[in-house]
Amino acid sequence: QQQVKQSPQSLIVQKGGISIINCAYENTAFDYFPWYQQFPGKGPALLIAIRPDVSEKKEGRFTISFNKSAKQFSLHIMDSQPGDSATYFCAARGVRGTYKYIFGTGTRLKVLA
Amino acid sequence: EAQVTQNPRYLITVTGKKLTVTCSQNMNHEYMSWYRQDPGLGLRQIYYSMNVEVTDKGDVPEGYKVSRKEKRNFPLILESPSPNQTSLYFCASSNKGPVGGETQYFGPGTRLLVL
Repeated sequence: QQQVKQSPQSLIVQKGGISIINCAYENTAFDYFPWYQQFPGKGPALLIAIRPDVSEKKEGRFTISFNKSAKQFSLHIMDSQPGDSATYFCAARGVRGTYKYIFGTGTRLKVLA
Repeated sequence: EAQVTQNPRYLITVTGKKLTVTCSQNMNHEYMSWYRQDPGLGLRQIYYSMNVEVTDKGDVPEGYKVSRKEKRNFPLILESPSPNQTSLYFCASSNKGPVGGETQYFGPGTRLLVL
């Protein structure tokens, strides 16, 4: 199964709050899990990424939590800011040695000032 | 400036009229990829290339062709476009990553409408 299921589809958070976006996958051959941020009219840009042998990775206000046994990973945005309002995509790279990527369907985040 | 460029940015065409969307990167990246983005479906990979003359299918290759004759260019060809290929297309490139993965750099997108 090659899908990556992402939820929620949209999210509204107050400034200073925590934004949480979840993704689940089936294929245990996936070996790299990036998150991309996309602003309107722009291409996606890498935000943060994790390998499956690591349970958590933090970069500034952004944290990925990874649960290998549950085949789930999530993005936490601490102290959410209006400038974080964007669409977020989780992704998974499949099959070692390839450049094959499966993306989630995206989460539109709006942070209220 | 390091970047991925795509041309054209906007294109309106008719069913069956062959078209090519160009993609070029100036970062000497080995890997390149094409995606389409549709509402509610996220990004779906069409084709990718891991080196010159090496290409492989992504998730949705039907109706598309690619070629990689030079390292910097990776054109997307629609031989006979159909309305269901109306979409926003992104090209991306990255260096050969370490075991931990690679950073894909995306172009600005090409919005295609097939009538």
